Amino acid sequence: SQQGEEDPQALSIQEGENATMNCSYKTSINNLQWYRQNSGRGLVHLILIRSNEREKHSGRLRVTLDTSKKSSSLLITASRAADTASYFCATDAGGNKLVFGAGTILRVKS
Amino acid sequence: DTAVSQTPKYLVTQMGNDKSIKCEQNLGHDTMYWYKQDSKKFLKIMFSYNNKELIINETVPNRFSPKSPDKAHLNLHINSLELGDSAVYFCASSPNPGAGAQYFGPGTRLLVL
Repeated sequence: SQQGEEDPQALSIQEGENATMNCSYKTSINNLQWYRQNSGRGLVHLILIRSNEREKHSGRLRVTLDTSKKSSSLLITASRAADTASYFCATDAGGNKLVFGAGTILRVKS
Repeated sequence: DTAVSQTPKYLVTQMGNDKSIKCEQNLGHDTMYWYKQDSKKFLKIMFSYNNKELIINETVPNRFSPKSPDKAHLNLHINSLELGDSAVYFCASSPNPGAGAQYFGPGTRLLVL
């Protein structure tokens, strides 16, 4: 069954604005990861946050994790047209596998 | 010098045929995966191998048979293809099972007519 669910399903913003995507999950996790998928391409790992971490930064990306609410958010600051892609959260709940959410489609208009 | 490569990139075939997809990684990782991404972009794991041994086998029809000749290669053979098999199939690898980032190939777009 699907573990992570992203919200919103689709997001359209202007270049320079910030984009926030949310992910909710159902079970306890070891870590949560965010991936980007450009149209017609494979997934690219963006950032991993462990269950004992609350916030992590990587360049223009900021990820938060609230294990009490079983939710995470991905913030992309000062968005660019090249950020246009689908973004997926994936949870590692043990069992040697990741479970992916349905993704958020982000469109950044220039 | 592509990290995870898959062949072919596109595969169009008739119902009932048998086809194979090949995957190779040059990252020195021990673990490889096959995922299926459906038309709604939902990505689901099918199989995982660690050092040539099967460690994950989700509820996948037995028409799908993975094979890992060595830890750098993981192939997927599909027998008696059905319309519902149409999807994008992704290979991925990671240093070890479960933990950490996974590195994905470019995908194989399979269309069954």
